[in-house]
Amino acid sequence: DAMVIQNPRYQVTQFGKPVTLSCSQTLNHNVMYWYQQKSSQAPKLLFHYYDKDFNNEADTPDNFQSRRPNTSFCFLDIRSPGLGDAAMYLCATRDLGLMGEQFFGPGTRLTVL
Amino acid sequence: DQQVKQNSPSLSVQEGRISILNCDYTNSMFDYFLWYKKYPAEGPTFLISISSIKDKNEDGRFTVFLNKSAKHLSLHIVPSQPGDSAVYFCAASATGGTSYGKLTFGQGTILTVHP
Repeated sequence: DAMVIQNPRYQVTQFGKPVTLSCSQTLNHNVMYWYQQKSSQAPKLLFHYYDKDFNNEADTPDNFQSRRPNTSFCFLDIRSPGLGDAAMYLCATRDLGLMGEQFFGPGTRLTVL
Repeated sequence: DQQVKQNSPSLSVQEGRISILNCDYTNSMFDYFLWYKKYPAEGPTFLISISSIKDKNEDGRFTVFLNKSAKHLSLHIVPSQPGDSAVYFCAASATGGTSYGKLTFGQGTILTVHP
C-alpha cells in the first residue's frame, strides 16, 4: 500500500543532543510537510518542501532544520533539543496538482530528558 | 492568533445518535476545509472535505456543513458508532497563491461514543 512512513516511532534524546527524525513516502507526492503537535494542541506547521523548494514558517525556531535529498525522503533535524521541543512530530505529503487532502504518517513521539 | 478554533474539547454521545462537531475560522482567505480523525498513536486520517463554493458535502454517515457568512463549519456523524471515538481535527486552507496546500488546524475535539 502507498503510504507515509516515519521512523522511529518513539525517540528519546538528551537535552542539547542533536536528533534526526525521518519520513519517507511511496505516494510520489511533490509536497512534504513537517508538523509539531504538543499535547491537546493543534498540529503546527514547521516547514514544507515543494519538490526541492524549501519553505520555512516565519515562527519556526532556527533550532529546527530540514533536508529533502529526493522525492521520497524528508528529514527533520533538531540541532539542540530543549525540554520544550518534546512533542509529536508529524510528516505529511500531498500532490499539489490535485485539490485534496494531506496524507499523514503515524508520527514520531520525541522525549527530551 | 488562532485562525481555526474548535471550542469544544470533548463530546460524549450515545451509540446511534447524532454527533455534531463544530469549528470556527477567522481568515476569510480560507476556501477549502477538511476534517481529520486521529486515533491514539496514529497519524491523522482524512475524513471529508468541502470547498467554499459548496455549503454541504456528504459521504456516507458523515456530512460537513459550511456557513461562510458565519465562518463556521460543522461535521455531523449519523448514526454514531463506538468506532467513531477519536480526536477530530478541523483544518482550513487558502488554495490560491503559493500556499502549497498549507493547512491550519484547530485544537481538536475528543469524541466518545458510548455503546
